[in-house]
Amino acid sequence: DAGVTQSPTHLIKTRGQQVTLRCSPKSGHDTVSWYQQALGQGPQFIFQYYEEEERQRGNFPDRFSGHQFPNYSSELNVNALLLGDSALYLCASSLRFQPQHFGDGTRLSIL
Amino acid sequence: QQQVKQSPQSLIVQKGGISIINCAYENTAFDYFPWYQQFPGKGPALLIAIRPDVSEKKEGRFTISFNKSAKQFSLHIMDSQPGDSATYFCAASMSYSGAGSYQLTFGKGTKLSVIP
Repeated sequence: DAGVTQSPTHLIKTRGQQVTLRCSPKSGHDTVSWYQQALGQGPQFIFQYYEEEERQRGNFPDRFSGHQFPNYSSELNVNALLLGDSALYLCASSLRFQPQHFGDGTRLSIL
Repeated sequence: QQQVKQSPQSLIVQKGGISIINCAYENTAFDYFPWYQQFPGKGPALLIAIRPDVSEKKEGRFTISFNKSAKQFSLHIMDSQPGDSATYFCAASMSYSGAGSYQLTFGKGTKLSVIP
């Protein structure tokens, strides 16, 4: 049974570009959350999708947007990339109100 | 505003010893407190979690102690092993009445090194 899978594993972009990260939830899970983890810090909540709608959002600008598809997979989009967006982006999936399971993340580097 | 404060930042323990990591929270609405373990290049993995209706929960060598009045909780790793060397994160969340799941607020992490 596959866990949470994220793609790509690594990505290099330049300032001002746009990026799309992808997440497939663990089988049976219907909720996807996205977190940003800067180097040496704990993950910070970006937003959460359930039933294809954004249900909760953390303190992130609207340059960060997302989408959830009918098969529960999800995308995170970041526009107008800044150097400070360099981080590990983690996807977590869960069944409603159950513990969240994390993927291994996408390492995004901005040059 | 950091809602979950974690200490120490790093910890070195000898094999067989007890590792203790502490967290304090500010938001009294938090009612779910998990601990995650993260190895380099991997995502966080849930270790153990507690709710405030109990003061202690034990799973194998891992124990959470919870003090609701002090708004503090801690992770104890008994008989620490070199394989336990990783970064540990405490987290907290509150019940969410809407659709979806819990939004986790993480501490900054503790890097544990267990030396033989």
